[in-house]
Amino acid sequence: DIQMTQSPSSLSASVGDRVTITCRASQSISTFLNWYQQKPGKAPKLLIYATSTLQSGVPPRFSGGGSGTHFTLTISSLQPEDFATYYCQHSHTTPQTFGQGTKVEIK
Amino acid sequence: EVQLVESGGGLVKPGGSLRLSCAASGFTLSNHNMKWVRQAPGKGLEWVSSISSSSSSIYYADSVKGRFTISRDNAKNSLYLQMNSLRVEDTAVYYCARDQGAGGGYSFDYWGQGTLVTVSS
Repeated sequence: DIQMTQSPSSLSASVGDRVTITCRASQSISTFLNWYQQKPGKAPKLLIYATSTLQSGVPPRFSGGGSGTHFTLTISSLQPEDFATYYCQHSHTTPQTFGQGTKVEIK
Repeated sequence: EVQLVESGGGLVKPGGSLRLSCAASGFTLSNHNMKWVRQAPGKGLEWVSSISSSSSSIYYADSVKGRFTISRDNAKNSLYLQMNSLRVEDTAVYYCARDQGAGGGYSFDYWGQGTLVTVSS
């Protein structure tokens, strides 16, 4: 099975900050990498699929990059509604494993 | 509007069984592969099972293989998860999710609100 490792596990940031979260796969997954946002008590929400394609309705301050085994999610200017937990997930093969999550908290 | 609504969760004793349902609306279920994903209290997301649009391909996480059975009824716009021999470690919120398919990188674009399964004596 492909393992997904996110870093950091948590971070504190201020409104307006640029934030980058990293996700590493244990083997190459090409560009089959997706990012989800989850707020407490809510279902996950798809932000980015296929490494860099923004899901419909997602603000352009979110962007994704990478390929192979190294991927990033960047929020260019953190907004109050962005404080949440972010998960990467690969869709290269089954099982489509998730990273352990990165909690973005208010500084 | 696409909607997925789970039901069937609850409190069950170890070794017991539950059947989760996911009612789909606002799209043609038979056009999509579907998933079950769970989240233990305070933990991350764990893929549980997948079923293809025609039920021809089915997959399970090792942690549930042999105990859980995924199925679907496209005519009833419904997805199911039969859970047998439940363990304390199966306690989680269970979500059904829609697979966007090849054009969406096989990502999960719509999720239900989740249903809580608690396994405890």
